[in-house]
Amino acid sequence: EEQLVESGGGLVQPGGSLRLSCAASGFTFRSYSMYWVRQAPGKGLEWVSAMSETSIYIFYADSVRGRFTISRDNAKNSLYLHMNSLRAEDTAVYYCARAVPRSYALDDWGQGTTVTVSS
Amino acid sequence: QSALTQPPSASGSPGQSVTISCTGTSSDVGGYNSVSWYQQHPGTAPKLLISEVSKRPSGVPDRFSGSKSGNTASLTVSGLQAEDEADYYCSSYAGSNVLYVFGTGTKVTVL
Repeated sequence: EEQLVESGGGLVQPGGSLRLSCAASGFTFRSYSMYWVRQAPGKGLEWVSAMSETSIYIFYADSVRGRFTISRDNAKNSLYLHMNSLRAEDTAVYYCARAVPRSYALDDWGQGTTVTVSS
Repeated sequence: QSALTQPPSASGSPGQSVTISCTGTSSDVGGYNSVSWYQQHPGTAPKLLISEVSKRPSGVPDRFSGSKSGNTASLTVSGLQAEDEADYYCSSYAGSNVLYVFGTGTKVTVL
């Protein structure tokens, strides 16, 4: 069974840091581009970051560029999101998602991990 | 990176059809055939319904269909069922600088 499982969320003070992880199983992780998408409480979906299969191509939303870093370890079937200088507006459920090859459709999603930025 | 525009809500009775619009620009929806649609029930992760404007992944009922005209994409849900009550989001590729953008979301209510 294909599965994505996020972890690492929690409560952090403004200005703090956090690292999210996404463990993939049931498919060939190294063959897929991977995305991070977040959803603030009661709000819509917001694309955060994306990384190509071999990490050559990396993209960030303007709202997180310079503060967040996406990375992956294909040997460990894992995707990461390093978040620095966190702000209250970064409070959200963070999902990792898999992209359909040669497409920008996200066909497999994790259950999400919650990040709360508050003093 | 402006979100694509969707109506906040839509509704229909069981068996009826509802169509949700997703309006962008020539830099996203209108410029590429990379529109996707997602369904999200409360407290759960989004689920892919439509990719590349009108392609249905396996397992998605053919009651769900997608189309595009100019800068506006549409999702039609035919033969509404109670389980179709959910939030629906469109998304589009938006070029190598912006990459990806979601719509504002539409809450569908089955009356």
